[in-house]
Amino acid sequence: KAGVTQTPRYLIKTRGQQVTLSCSPISGHRSVSWYQQTPGQGLQFLFEYFSETQRNKGNFPGRFSGRQFSNSRSEMNVSTLELGDSALYLCASSGGTRYQETQYFGPGTRLLVL
Amino acid sequence: AQSVSQHNHHVILSEAASLELGCNYSYGGTVNLFWYVQYPGQHLQLLLKYFSGDPLVKGIKGFEAEFIKSKFSFNLRKPSVQWSDTAEYFCAVNPDSWGKLQFGAGTQVVVTP
Repeated sequence: KAGVTQTPRYLIKTRGQQVTLSCSPISGHRSVSWYQQTPGQGLQFLFEYFSETQRNKGNFPGRFSGRQFSNSRSEMNVSTLELGDSALYLCASSGGTRYQETQYFGPGTRLLVL
Repeated sequence: AQSVSQHNHHVILSEAASLELGCNYSYGGTVNLFWYVQYPGQHLQLLLKYFSGDPLVKGIKGFEAEFIKSKFSFNLRKPSVQWSDTAEYFCAVNPDSWGKLQFGAGTQVVVTP
């Protein structure tokens, strides 16, 4: 099976712009989660989508949003970019039964905000 | 606040030495536990996981972890490390069965030849 894929892999934006990142999960996986990884804060959960519905949300401002399509592909959007949004954004997909889900991660999108 | 703690931020050891990385969590109730590894320039990979049953779980590349419920711990071990084990190791907890993982801060492991 192909793994989780994320596009683009690298992105440079300037403050105030917005950005959209894409994630394609492993075939058959219906849950997609997003994480932000920074040297200072580590890995932090952004949100999770399951069957096109946001099922769980982390403590990030409303500038961070996401969605999931009927084919389970997911996008996350960050509006009005700030310098502190520079990070590696990771997507993970999971399958399995409810109490035994395992997340598999993609390579990430590295975002640099100038 | 609920959290996941990894005791060591940096570990340096020689090849063939034994490795043990500590992980404690503060969630009550049933949790799922994971160790992930991030090799230089690569994405997060699953090393092993614990859902239930035997508290000693074996993963890939000779790693194992022991779940001790009374201590809220899930420590990772490898009897003899190799240079290729140089990586950052993350402990993660899924406290509510949905797709949210709470990660520890990570431990950077450097294995010297």
